[in-house]
Amino acid sequence: KNQVEQSPQSLIILEGKNCTLQCNYTVSPFSNLRWYKQDTGRGPVSLTIMTFSENTKSNGRYTATLDADTKQSSLHITASQLSDSASYICVVKGGSYIPTFGRGTSLIVHP
Amino acid sequence: AAGVIQSPRHLIKEKRETATLKCYPIPRHDTVYWYQQGPGQDPQFLISFYEKMQSDKGSIPDRFSAQQFSDYHSELNMSSLELGDSALYFCASSFGRAETDTQYFGPGTRLTVL
Repeated sequence: KNQVEQSPQSLIILEGKNCTLQCNYTVSPFSNLRWYKQDTGRGPVSLTIMTFSENTKSNGRYTATLDADTKQSSLHITASQLSDSASYICVVKGGSYIPTFGRGTSLIVHP
Repeated sequence: AAGVIQSPRHLIKEKRETATLKCYPIPRHDTVYWYQQGPGQDPQFLISFYEKMQSDKGSIPDRFSAQQFSDYHSELNMSSLELGDSALYFCASSFGRAETDTQYFGPGTRLTVL
């Protein structure tokens, strides 16, 4: 069964600090992996998308990594801001067009 | 830039009533996806349409139906509503069904069934 596991479930950090979110998946075959940011009550917004051949991709202060061999991805947030407080969802697309969603990591950035 | 539009944003219904949710994709996007997200849950895929034809079907109850119209907007029809149908319903759109197409999500419709 295709699964996407994210950790930690929740994270609290101080403004300006860095943090790393983890995503492990068992989706096979693998097509691509996306990280989404979802503010409370809003739709998810795509941050990065990575295919099999990509190891690292950056989008501003967000940097995603992918290890297709170990089926792991991480999202690193640099110099966190209060507006980074949100749920970060890892979504993996396999052989079908239906993506598999992780439960998300709830990030709270305190001033 | 234009985004995915969903209406209504909030909807309150009673058990056994019917609800219709609407989704207007980003211009030129031809694929629409519907998701249901319960409280504290990850989005569950319901159904998708590509070029006005149903392309994939997920965990959509038989009480629900959906279609995509000639202008590519989509409607999710929900009948015999149950308390458990209370959730945030997201619509997402993309251009085509290529491997790397990104789904752009709308703001969601919050359905409350009393």
